[in-house]
Amino acid sequence: GAVVSQHPSWVICKSGTSVKIECRSLDFQATTMFWYRQFPKQSLMLMATSNEGSKATYEQGVEKDKFLINHASLTLSTLTVTSAHPEDSSFYICSAGNRDRGWQTQYFGPGTRLLVL
Amino acid sequence: LAKTTQPISMDSYEGQEVNITCSHNNIATNDYITWYQQFPSQGPRFIIQGYKTKVTNEVASLFIPADRKSSTLSLPRVSLSDTAVYYCLVGSGGYQKVTFGIGTKLQVIP
Repeated sequence: GAVVSQHPSWVICKSGTSVKIECRSLDFQATTMFWYRQFPKQSLMLMATSNEGSKATYEQGVEKDKFLINHASLTLSTLTVTSAHPEDSSFYICSAGNRDRGWQTQYFGPGTRLLVL
Repeated sequence: LAKTTQPISMDSYEGQEVNITCSHNNIATNDYITWYQQFPSQGPRFIIQGYKTKVTNEVASLFIPADRKSSTLSLPRVSLSDTAVYYCLVGSGGYQKVTFGIGTKLQVIP
């Protein structure tokens, strides 16, 4: 299947700092990327959908000014957690799909563990 | 977005066949059914996808009845390494957002 990578795989930061997470599609062009958040023992919760070259669409309850998403190319999307606080500590997962290929599935990255102290 | 319902957890002994059923009563005509596997601290991994009848690949089979209101993931001869959470998702394209349910936590017992 298609390969999606994330960087970093884990990050620890101080409260109030900003953290950037990268999501890359390694062997295909991702017209659409999704960002999820997963708390311990819970399911994945969709945060936002981003289409290459356009603004991200955020799910209800997700602050767009806090979670900045940039999808500037067909192989890279970034999620920046601004002014992170301990409650933002979570497992962040991206996925990618290709609208033009008519794919019926998303391919997921390995996830990024964020711990805010 | 079609909502899915799965058992929260299942236990199975090694070597047994495991069947996990998912209900999706309001599945749309264009929707496909996709199953993912997730290990702790990892992203979900694609297992199998189908639209109707039966689909089989090297790791699993997917059975979908004619009314498509449910589907069953079949894992043959499970091993300890199959212990994971399995998610059933319904959607109409890889570029369309989907909603993850709780998933089924499968525990394989030696």
